[in-house]
Amino acid sequence: GAVVSQHPSWVICKSGTSVKIECRSLDFQATTMFWYRQFPKQSLMLMATSNEGSKATYEQGVEKDKFLINHASLTLSTLTVTSAHPEDSSFYICSASFPRLEKLFFGSGTQLSVL
Amino acid sequence: QKEVEQDPGPLSVPEGAIVSLNCTYSNSAFQYFMWYRQYSRKGPELLMYTYSSGNKEDGRFTAQVDKSSKYISLFIRDSQPSDSATYLCAMSFTGGGNKLTFGTGTQLKVEL
Repeated sequence: GAVVSQHPSWVICKSGTSVKIECRSLDFQATTMFWYRQFPKQSLMLMATSNEGSKATYEQGVEKDKFLINHASLTLSTLTVTSAHPEDSSFYICSASFPRLEKLFFGSGTQLSVL
Repeated sequence: QKEVEQDPGPLSVPEGAIVSLNCTYSNSAFQYFMWYRQYSRKGPELLMYTYSSGNKEDGRFTAQVDKSSKYISLFIRDSQPSDSATYLCAMSFTGGGNKLTFGTGTQLKVEL
């Protein structure tokens, strides 16, 4: 079964609203989680690295005030897209690091459509 | 120049064919190499994870790494329609559980 749960799978919202996406590691404690976005027929682009109990590290060009990341516990990280606009429409995917296995486990993704 | 180059395809093959998927990279500091499979609108699933140059086999899948040429490959034997998906190569400086740099993905279709 899935080791990383991400929801919602789909969200449609009006321009200007905020959307929260949750990512949970189910069977292990993930000290590090990663957030990616993916446009159609393009690769996954890393947005930020989320460490439990500390501020997220954002990649160059990603607005930290627009994409708020909270990693309040070892099993939960959230991404909030604030004041969403149509250009924020994308597929957002989280992943959690399983250090002992040297692996990342990915969530099932969230398709965000901003009208 | 992108750090990781991957032919986006689409690649269409008949069932039972051997599929070859490739990526090249420019940064010799990449040490860990992975292949992920992604079905439409789903998260990627890890298929293969390699560190050293050479071949690694797992069932119908073989991953090949040539660090001297900065070239990695994934071979799929006896391809099945269920193999139809997008295949992403990924690489890391510090391990498979850390920050990854992905290729654009190759869309594969295996036809009956």
